[in-house]
Amino acid sequence: SQQGEEDPQALSIQEGENATMNCSYKTSINNLQWYRQNSGRGLVHLILIRSNEREKHSGRLRVTLDTSKKSSSLLITASRAADTASYFCATDPLAGGGNKLTFGTGTQLKVEL
Amino acid sequence: NAGVTQTPKFQVLKTGQSMTLQCAQDMNHNSMYWYRQDPGMGLRLIYYSASEGTTDKGEVPNGYNVSRLNKREFSLRLESAAPSQTSVYFCASNLWGQGQPQHFGDGTRLSIL
Repeated sequence: SQQGEEDPQALSIQEGENATMNCSYKTSINNLQWYRQNSGRGLVHLILIRSNEREKHSGRLRVTLDTSKKSSSLLITASRAADTASYFCATDPLAGGGNKLTFGTGTQLKVEL
Repeated sequence: NAGVTQTPKFQVLKTGQSMTLQCAQDMNHNSMYWYRQDPGMGLRLIYYSASEGTTDKGEVPNGYNVSRLNKREFSLRLESAAPSQTSVYFCASNLWGQGQPQHFGDGTRLSIL
């Protein structure tokens, strides 16, 4: 079963606007990761946030985590056409150890010129 | 540096045929993974290998077998292909342990008629 559910499923914005996508999950986690997938390619790791962190930044990316609500959000600021891709959250469970991730269903982002 | 290399990139099979998907990584990672990606389903873990010499089932192992040939290579075998196994298959690798990002290949697109 899918651990993460992303919202919205699809998002279309203009270049220069901000894009926000959300992820909800079900069980306790050690960390949550976000990945990007360009069409026809594999996933690329973007950013990781640990369960004891509330917010993290990397360049134009800002991730928040609310463990009480079991949710996370990814904000991409000043979006560019090159940001067009699918974005997936992935949870690393607290129990079981290791790095056996469970992926969400993804948000398809389209950034138009 | 090639990263994670998957072969073949595309394959069409008939129902009942067998097939081995190959994956190799050159990052000296000890853990490797096989996922399948279906529309609207995100990625689902088929099998993983935490270290050379070990393999374990993931979420959807039925109909598949794996072999961790050495530290670099991890293959996925379909013994008797079924149309339900039509999917895009991704191999990934990382250093075992929580918080280690996974590195993905570009996938094998498999159609079973």
